[in-house]
Amino acid sequence: NAGVTQTPKFQVLKTGQSMTLQCAQDMNHNSMYWYRQDPGMGLRLIYYSASEGTTDKGEVPNGYNVSRLNKREFSLRLESAAPSQTSVYFCASSSARDGGIIGNQPQHFGDGTRLSIL
Amino acid sequence: SQKIEQNSEALNIQEGKTATLTCNYTNYSPAYLQWYRQDPGRGPVFLLLIRENEKEKRKERLKVTFDTTLKQSLFHITASQPADSATYLCALGATNKLIFGTGTLLAVQP
Repeated sequence: NAGVTQTPKFQVLKTGQSMTLQCAQDMNHNSMYWYRQDPGMGLRLIYYSASEGTTDKGEVPNGYNVSRLNKREFSLRLESAAPSQTSVYFCASSSARDGGIIGNQPQHFGDGTRLSIL
Repeated sequence: SQKIEQNSEALNIQEGKTATLTCNYTNYSPAYLQWYRQDPGRGPVFLLLIRENEKEKRKERLKVTFDTTLKQSLFHITASQPADSATYLCALGATNKLIFGTGTLLAVQP
């Protein structure tokens, strides 16, 4: 049982390049999330999706777009990468039906994408 | 503004002792509180969830308390082992989001 799978695991980009981070879960969860983790900042929510076809902004959405392709997949896109977006990106999923944003269900995380932007 | 504080300094303890980690919050009224474990290079792994009307929750060697008056949660690992060494994150469920603390690094010495 794979849980939450993220690809790629590592990526180096130049400023201005674009890329898409992929995330897939096999737990039949309704809700999916994208976070970034920076030293001393904790995990910060970028976007979330409470169900297939819906997405909502989190705490730090600027510079990112997302797509909930189907129930399993939730992608994060950087249209024009900036050095400030250098970070570790985590995808998570939850069985919560309201998006789980009030914390009433555990979240299951992938192992992250380490992204460096030069 | 809403704020969560976890000990930024590493907690070093001897094997077999009880480790106690603290999570304090301000300007929140969370309905739920969660604790996660994170190993280097890995994503967080869920450990325990406690609701505001629960004072204490246990799972094997783990115990979590939730004091809404003090605005504090304590996370205990009894009979600690070197394999318990990791960063532990608390997360609060508030009005419209799950807020994570920055984590406390626990090092259990053999």
